[in-house]
Amino acid sequence: GENVEQHPSTLSVQEGDSAVIKCTYSDSASNYFPWYKQELGKRPQLIIDIRSNVGEKKDQRIAVTLNKTAKHFSLHITETQPEDSAVYFCAANSGGSNYKLTFGKGTLLTVNP
Amino acid sequence: DVKVTQSSRYLVKRTGEKVFLECVQDMDHENMFWYRQDPGLGLRLIYFSYDVKMKEKGDIPEGYSVSREKKERFSLILESASTNQTSMYLCASSLIANYGYTFGSGTRLTVV
Repeated sequence: GENVEQHPSTLSVQEGDSAVIKCTYSDSASNYFPWYKQELGKRPQLIIDIRSNVGEKKDQRIAVTLNKTAKHFSLHITETQPEDSAVYFCAANSGGSNYKLTFGKGTLLTVNP
Repeated sequence: DVKVTQSSRYLVKRTGEKVFLECVQDMDHENMFWYRQDPGLGLRLIYFSYDVKMKEKGDIPEGYSVSREKKERFSLILESASTNQTSMYLCASSLIANYGYTFGSGTRLTVV
C-alpha cells in the first residue's frame, strides 16, 4: 500500500519567514495530493491540493509543488503569521483505490511573533 | 457548507463494552471514512465506505467494524472496547473519489 513520509515533525519560524514542509510517497500510481491544517482542538481542514497533471499550485501565501519523478511534494507558506501555527498533514491517494487517502504523520508549525 | 457531525465529542467507556460512534453528513457525499488520530502517528484509516452497504478495510481494521445502512450515516463499532483503543476518532466524507475530505470534529474516546 501507499506510504507517506513527512518532514520535519516540528518547525519553528519567525513571523514573516517562509516555511517548507516536505512529503514523499511510495505508490507511483498516486495522483492526488492534498494538504490539511489542524489547529489545536479543531478538525483538519483542507487548505490546498494538487493533482499529478500539474507541477505547482498557488493560493495566496500557500503553494504546493509536486515532483512525480522523485515522488515528493512540498508545502510552502510565505510571510508566515502567528495564525499559521498548527499541525499540517500531507496525504496521497492510494493508486489501487482512488477513494482513500494515506496521511503523513504531521508537522507542528509554530510561528513566533 | 458541508457538515460532518459526530454524535459525541467525548466518551468514556469500560473495557469490554460495545461502543458505537456515529457520523452523519448532510451533503449527499458518496464516500465516508473513519480514521483514528494518535500523537506521533498521524491519521490512520480504519474503514471506509464508497456506497451504501459497501465497506472496505483500511490500514488498522482489527477490533472494529462499521455499518452504512443509509448514505448519510456511517457508524464505527468497537465490538469489545480495549484500552489500546483510547484515541481521537475522526469521521470524514468526500463527494467523489480523488476529492478533498471534510472532517467531523472528532470523538475523543477513553477506554478505562
